Amino acid sequence: SQQGEEDPQALSIQEGENATMNCSYKTSINNLQWYRQNSGRGLVHLILIRSNEREKHSGRLRVTLDTSKKSSSLLITASRAADTASYFCATGTLSSWGKLQFGAGTQVVVTP
Amino acid sequence: DVKVTQSSRYLVKRTGEKVFLECVQDMDHENMFWYRQDPGLGLRLIYFSYDVKMKEKGDIPEGYSVSREKKERFSLILESASTNQTSMYLCASTGLEGGDTQYFGPGTRLTVL
Repeated sequence: SQQGEEDPQALSIQEGENATMNCSYKTSINNLQWYRQNSGRGLVHLILIRSNEREKHSGRLRVTLDTSKKSSSLLITASRAADTASYFCATGTLSSWGKLQFGAGTQVVVTP
Repeated sequence: DVKVTQSSRYLVKRTGEKVFLECVQDMDHENMFWYRQDPGLGLRLIYFSYDVKMKEKGDIPEGYSVSREKKERFSLILESASTNQTSMYLCASTGLEGGDTQYFGPGTRLTVL
């Protein structure tokens, strides 16, 4: 069953613009992660934020987590054509044996 | 760097055939996972394994089985392939010390005719 749901489903922006996508989930979590998938490839881990954290940065990525609203956002600043990919949020719980629940993803297209 | 490899990038099989998808990781990870990915549905967990010879059903295990005889290798088996098993199959692994971060293989796109 899907835990996370991304919004929007698709996003088209120009190089240099910021891209923001959101993830909502249903149950209590231990951590929330964001992954990127280039077309036809495997997923690559981007960033992990724990339930007791509110914001995290990694290079041009900024992730926020609001556990009261059960939501997270991923911001990519100054986007590049190479950022074109699908982005997935995934949630983990304490009792999950390392299992994650993935959302359906946001497809981002960055045009030069 | 963690490396997860999958035996094939593309595979075409006929209905009723037995299909083996293999996944190997080189980081001594305890947990390994098999997902299928379909448009609009995201990743759905088929099976996972938290130790050699141990396996647990995921969300959609019907029509699949798995084998983990060695720690580094996790195989997904389609006993009798059907057209509705046409999909992208992704393998992932995670170690106990790495938290929940999963490392993915490149995927196998399976087409069942």
